[in-house]
Amino acid sequence: QAVVTQETSLTVSPGGTVTLTCGSSTGAVTSGHYPYWFQQKPGQAPRTLIYDASNKHSWTPARFSGSLLGGKAALTLSGAQPEDEAEYYCFLFYSGVWVFGGGTTLTVL
Amino acid sequence: QVQLVQSGAEVKKPGASVKVSCKASGYTFTGYYMHWVRQAPGQGLEWMGRITPSSGDTNYAQKFLGRVTMTRDTSIRTAYMELSRLRSDDTAVYYCAAEYNWFDPWGQGTLVTVSS
Repeated sequence: QAVVTQETSLTVSPGGTVTLTCGSSTGAVTSGHYPYWFQQKPGQAPRTLIYDASNKHSWTPARFSGSLLGGKAALTLSGAQPEDEAEYYCFLFYSGVWVFGGGTTLTVL
Repeated sequence: QVQLVQSGAEVKKPGASVKVSCKASGYTFTGYYMHWVRQAPGQGLEWMGRITPSSGDTNYAQKFLGRVTMTRDTSIRTAYMELSRLRSDDTAVYYCAAEYNWFDPWGQGTLVTVSS
């Protein structure tokens, strides 16, 4: 089974910009992996931020954006807010099965 | 409204089985995959598998092959996830999630504790 890799932790200053990445052990991440990004806060279920690499959900703040960059999926946060401190998970599709990345703990400090 | 309501917390002994239910409302149950995801305490999300409610077809993560069974009852709009031969490291919150609205909604989670 494929392994999906993410940064373990990142820190961003309030108002700053940070990019989280998502790689695949099988090679480049493409649109065919239908990349998702989920945000999870303590004690809550995950919530979709981005689907199909770059599409925002109805509740996704404009400061979040998704892309495919250098063979990886990327989630960019521009203008970080304290409420963005959370765990972020990448989620990729591989011919009938889905795999989560290990998650990135984002600290806004 | 669109929601998934899961069954309550369970405590099981090692070697036993657990069956968690997930009742859907507010959307066409048979029209969208239902996924099961678990999260051990302090750990990340782990995809277990999915079921196609209209046909009953399933896809399971390799790790759970032979131990997990996902079923559904379309008459009551409910999906089930049964995990057998439980071990202590199966202690986790188990979520169902519908692919209805780009993986929304999720159930509230069901805590399964495996302890002797």
